[in-house]
Amino acid sequence: AQRVTQPEKLLSVFKGAPVELKCNYSYSGSPELFWYVQYSRQRLQLLLRHISRESIKGFTADLNKGETSFHLKKPFAQEEDSAMYYCALRGGGADGLTFGKGTHLIIQP
Amino acid sequence: DSGVTQTPKHLITATGQRVTLRCSPRSGDLSVYWYQQSLDQGLQFLIQYYNGEERAKGNILERFSAQQFPDLHSELNLSSLELGDSALYFCASSVRSGGGRNTGELFFGEGSRLTVL
Repeated sequence: AQRVTQPEKLLSVFKGAPVELKCNYSYSGSPELFWYVQYSRQRLQLLLRHISRESIKGFTADLNKGETSFHLKKPFAQEEDSAMYYCALRGGGADGLTFGKGTHLIIQP
Repeated sequence: DSGVTQTPKHLITATGQRVTLRCSPRSGDLSVYWYQQSLDQGLQFLIQYYNGEERAKGNILERFSAQQFPDLHSELNLSSLELGDSALYFCASSVRSGGGRNTGELFFGEGSRLTVL
């Protein structure tokens, strides 16, 4: 079975401070990991995927297979980063994603 | 707007009733996914269709069923509704080219909020 755990329901940081949203997964094979984001009054959308090794809106995430983690990081938070963030996993031959419960990130001015 | 569209946006009904939620995928997308988001729960995968055929099944109750039509729109049927079925139901679509997997990017609709009283 595959599972995604996001231990923080809510994370509040000040503007300019570093941000780290935690994600741990459970999967026996080689997973693909993703971060999705939902801004206020917008649809859930893809933020980044681990295979792309990209930085989107200043966010990066590294897959650590030893720790089975895929934490999302940004060195300097901005107010527009306030949103719900979901970590997701895709395993095996499936197309669909298994999502974590999400972390509500609030950036305080 | 050629994005994923879901109807209705809101629906209030009584226990024991049956409802149908409708989803139109993005133009060109062949796969449709249904997710349920309840209070304090993440997005729970229900079912996936690809080009009219059931592709994968998740935690979908026997009281629930879905189908994808030749025009690729999909419907999720929820019957014998219980209070616990109150949730936000999301539809998502993705491209799946012949013989290959999609990129993992799902395009979501705005959701249908179901309230069972």
